[in-house]
Amino acid sequence: AQKITQTQPGMFVQEKEAVTLDCTYDTSDQSYGLFWYKQPSSGEMIFLIYQGSYDEQNATEGRYSLNFQKARKSANLVISASQLGDSAMYFCAMREPRDDKIIFGKGTRLHILP
Amino acid sequence: NAGVTQTPKFQVLKTGQSMTLQCAQDMNHEYMSWYRQDPGMGLRLIHYSVGAGITDQGEVPNGYNVSRSTTEDFPLRLLSAAPSQTSVYFCASSYFSSGRTGELFFGEGSRLTVL
Repeated sequence: AQKITQTQPGMFVQEKEAVTLDCTYDTSDQSYGLFWYKQPSSGEMIFLIYQGSYDEQNATEGRYSLNFQKARKSANLVISASQLGDSAMYFCAMREPRDDKIIFGKGTRLHILP
Repeated sequence: NAGVTQTPKFQVLKTGQSMTLQCAQDMNHEYMSWYRQDPGMGLRLIHYSVGAGITDQGEVPNGYNVSRSTTEDFPLRLLSAAPSQTSVYFCASSYFSSGRTGELFFGEGSRLTVL
């Protein structure tokens, strides 16, 4: 069974608009961690944001925020005021608590239109 | 500041050949891992290690071996390469404390083609 599900293979968004990238996860554990990474066309993996399952507040890092809904097992990434440089592949990942593996979703390719 | 260094960046192999992808990190991270990235499949975990002398299988371990003799190095070995192993390989490391990993620091990737 897929542990991390990203249902949007691709998205097109107008520059300066906000964008939400969906991520749902599957775990029976109470303690876990969720990550978002960005992969530009150059190929490197860039860490964006982290949310712990016990964190009471949604994580924020600059223009990135994580809309964490624990009961729904979703951890959507919100990018405010999108920029052309945000065009990239975005991956959601989860730390599996029982063995500390970090598992990734299939990713969403985001295209920002001028 | 080197971070995570992978070599080689590009490699072409013939079916049946063996090779080793090298990975070294200079951040004293306990946790190291190998992923492969294929179009439409995201990153899939091959093997990982939580410290020297300890390794474990990920999601797609078949056809790959690893060892962790030092904290710094985590080589990935392909014993008999197959075309299905054509992929981009990433090594990644992180801190590991209280049974939890921090965010992963990635190498630049190694593109492997098996003919």
